[in-house]
Amino acid sequence: QKEVEQDPGPLSVPEGAIVSLNCTYSNSAFQYFMWYRQYSRKGPELLMYTYSSGNKEDGRFTAQVDKSSKYISLFIRDSQPSDSATYLCAMSASAGGTSYGKLTFGQGTILTVHP
Amino acid sequence: DAGVTQSPTHLIKTRGQHVTLRCSPISGHKSVSWYQQVLGQGPQFIFQYYEKEERGRGNFPDRFSARQFPNYSSELNVNALLLGDSALYLCASSLGLGPYNEQFFGPGTRLTVL
Repeated sequence: QKEVEQDPGPLSVPEGAIVSLNCTYSNSAFQYFMWYRQYSRKGPELLMYTYSSGNKEDGRFTAQVDKSSKYISLFIRDSQPSDSATYLCAMSASAGGTSYGKLTFGQGTILTVHP
Repeated sequence: DAGVTQSPTHLIKTRGQHVTLRCSPISGHKSVSWYQQVLGQGPQFIFQYYEKEERGRGNFPDRFSARQFPNYSSELNVNALLLGDSALYLCASSLGLGPYNEQFFGPGTRLTVL
């Protein structure tokens, strides 16, 4: 079983739709949770960063973390064609060990927003 | 300001050969990490370096090695290439260690092994 599971999609939605992207994880040591966006032939760029359970909002993006269920989500409101990309969830443990700062990624979800 | 830069952009090698990939971090960043992203998968952690010392290693064979130079740039070396090493190799830099330091990714080097 992978430490982080993410539905690869692909997901296709009309412009203006609300998009929900999800990841589950099995390692209870994960404390830091991130969402990256990756355009074709580019490196990932950080969208959202959260620590511990709860919600965090940034413009059209909302990140949700439920540590009791080991489940994180990213919501995109009023989706735009420019949001078409691969979305990657990533997680990191809190401290110490030989992999301090190591990011563990999900498989990525391919999102297409059509006009 | 320049972001993370990687060279070369693309590389084609044959099985058994050796390859060296290069990364220049954002100015002021002292930590560099390397990730392998196979097509259709998320990036997998290979190494993390901080202040020229290896501070983390992922589950990769000894054919993979890396180093960090005094100017904080880094090289990833892969010996005895296998077909399965074909992937996008990503370099990420951050100010320091620890998961609270945002990792900024470069555009990657696409390696094809024939």
